[in-house]
Amino acid sequence: EPEVTQTPSHQVTQMGQEVILRCVPISNHLYFYWYRQILGQKVEFLVSFYNNEISEKSEIFDDQFSVERPDGSNFTLKIRSTKLEDSAMYFCASSERVGGYTEAFFGQGTRLTVV
Amino acid sequence: GIQVEQSPPDLILQEGANSTLRCNFSDSVNNLQWFHQNPWGQLINLFYIPSGTKQNGRLSATTVATERYSLLYISSSQTTDSGVYFCAVGGFSGGYNKLIFGAGTRLAVHP
Repeated sequence: EPEVTQTPSHQVTQMGQEVILRCVPISNHLYFYWYRQILGQKVEFLVSFYNNEISEKSEIFDDQFSVERPDGSNFTLKIRSTKLEDSAMYFCASSERVGGYTEAFFGQGTRLTVV
Repeated sequence: GIQVEQSPPDLILQEGANSTLRCNFSDSVNNLQWFHQNPWGQLINLFYIPSGTKQNGRLSATTVATERYSLLYISSSQTTDSGVYFCAVGGFSGGYNKLIFGAGTRLAVHP
């Protein structure tokens, strides 16, 4: 069964460093998303991406964050100058059509710890 | 923005018991999904159910879109059902491209 895969599963980084979280969406999907979940809290939307551009972003997704689809299979989230409060589980998701009208499938998550 | 409320927040069951989890939402939606977050943090898709009723083994779900709620039924619960159950909605006015999650119901099933 096709699935969304994320790497790494865990990442520990020093405060102020840059991290890149990687995702391989389901191959025939056209819409890609990043969500995050701070420990013990709800899952929050960060950004949606379609046709090589951001289609929607949340207030959380400020200039510290960027997304990219560097090739035909990968979708990345870059966090510059990480802060302690960036520690969270980050989920990548993909869907065939726009998110509100079709099922979104989530990767297993990357647990980011900023120390 | 849209509000998604789940109840109860916490639920403790003995193995074999049945339960009903509820999700209320404050706007018309075109997408509603139920997820199970396992102890390792993975989000497992349970149902894509913007309306109607679906069943998958011991789990079933019903969404009444006109009344803005969805129910997740777990029958004959097992210890492996433990975890957090999230409802998420999408396709609402001003938010077509994202899912908004509720706070979840934390389920503990004891043997």
